[in-house]
Amino acid sequence: GAVVSQHPSWVICKSGTSVKIECRSLDFQATTMFWYRQFPKQSLMLMATSNEGSKATYEQGVEKDKFLINHASLTLSTLTVTSAHPEDSSFYICSARDSSGSYEQYFGPGTRLTVT
Amino acid sequence: AQSVTQLGSHVSVSEGALVLLRCNYSSSVPPYLFWYVQYPNQGLQLLLKYTTGATLVKGINGFEAEFKKSETSFHLTKPSAHMSDAAEYFCAVSVPFNTGKLIFGQGTTLQVKP
Repeated sequence: GAVVSQHPSWVICKSGTSVKIECRSLDFQATTMFWYRQFPKQSLMLMATSNEGSKATYEQGVEKDKFLINHASLTLSTLTVTSAHPEDSSFYICSARDSSGSYEQYFGPGTRLTVT
Repeated sequence: AQSVTQLGSHVSVSEGALVLLRCNYSSSVPPYLFWYVQYPNQGLQLLLKYTTGATLVKGINGFEAEFKKSETSFHLTKPSAHMSDAAEYFCAVSVPFNTGKLIFGQGTTLQVKP
């Protein structure tokens, strides 16, 4: 089956530093990937839609300068949390939409970010 | 605009009992509907989905859901709960032939008691 990986699975960083999270579709191509944020015991909140070769589309209220998204290839999207603060601590999940025809969407295992 | 409401943030059943998780949606166009399961500190796994055709959809692990347009509902059921079913369940909606963006409900925690 289709597999989406995320790296790292967890990361601890100091306040003010930047952190990059990778999302890869391992056995399919994805022109569209999505980034979600999930707080403990809460639902997933869509942050942005990442489109290969073009700018990401951010949801209302999400700071595009803080959450930089790059989708440089059909199998890789990255989310960079810039100048991280403790309130950015969260579980970040990506999903990738199979562009081969099925348009099925597959989720990564998530990345736990803790900002100290 | 689309939205999803899951009735009951926490559902507790006994092992072997019927599982019923409720989901109602709002959509301006005929939607695609999904149920996902999430285990602690993991991503989401698709249980089942409705796109078109048969309104009763069967998924993995014995789950099924029925799309009822008149009630704008897509409730998830399983005849007999297993301990391994304890997890967080999310209902989601998307607009067909669009970006594939999913709008999730608030989630329901399923507890299975021995």
